[in-house]
Amino acid sequence: KAGVTQTPRYLIKTRGQQVTLSCSPISGHRSVSWYQQTPGQGLQFLFEYFSETQRNKGNFPGRFSGRQFSNSRSEMNVSTLELGDSALYLCASSSVGPTDTQYFGPGTRLTVL
Amino acid sequence: AQSVTQLGSHVSVSEGALVLLRCNYSSSVPPYLFWYVQYPNQGLQLLLKYTSAATLVKGINGFEAEFKKSETSFHLTKPSAHMSDAAEYFCAVSEGGGTSYGKLTFGQGTILTVHP
Repeated sequence: KAGVTQTPRYLIKTRGQQVTLSCSPISGHRSVSWYQQTPGQGLQFLFEYFSETQRNKGNFPGRFSGRQFSNSRSEMNVSTLELGDSALYLCASSSVGPTDTQYFGPGTRLTVL
Repeated sequence: AQSVTQLGSHVSVSEGALVLLRCNYSSSVPPYLFWYVQYPNQGLQLLLKYTSAATLVKGINGFEAEFKKSETSFHLTKPSAHMSDAAEYFCAVSEGGGTSYGKLTFGQGTILTVHP
């Protein structure tokens, strides 16, 4: 089975721009979670989608949004980028069930200049 | 609310020595616990998970962890370190469904260095 894929792998943007990141889950997985990883704050949960519905959301401003499509692929969008949004954005997928393991993609490295 | 504390942001061992990475958690319900490893410029790879089936959990690459409810701990061990074990390790907790759908809470990570 192919793993979780994320595109693009690297991205450079300037302040004020917006960005869209994409995540394709493992085939058959319907839950997709997003995380932000920074040296200062570590790994922080952004949100989770299941069957095109956001079921859970972390403590991030409204500039961070996401969606999930009927094929379980997910996108996250960050509007009005700030320098502090520079981070590794990780996507993880899992099958149905609260104990199911999250499998992570390689991440998208976003740099905001 | 769930939380995870990893004691020691850096651990250094010699090749062949015991690896011990410490993790303590806080959870309002019986937790599900995970250890992940991250190599430079890569995502997270699952090492092992505890989901209440057995308190001693064996994972990949010779790692294991023991769930101790009385100590709220889930320490990761490996009897003999290998150079390829050098990476950053993350302990994570999940409370399952309800308000915790799809949410893992991570510790701050421990960077493991292995000396020849």
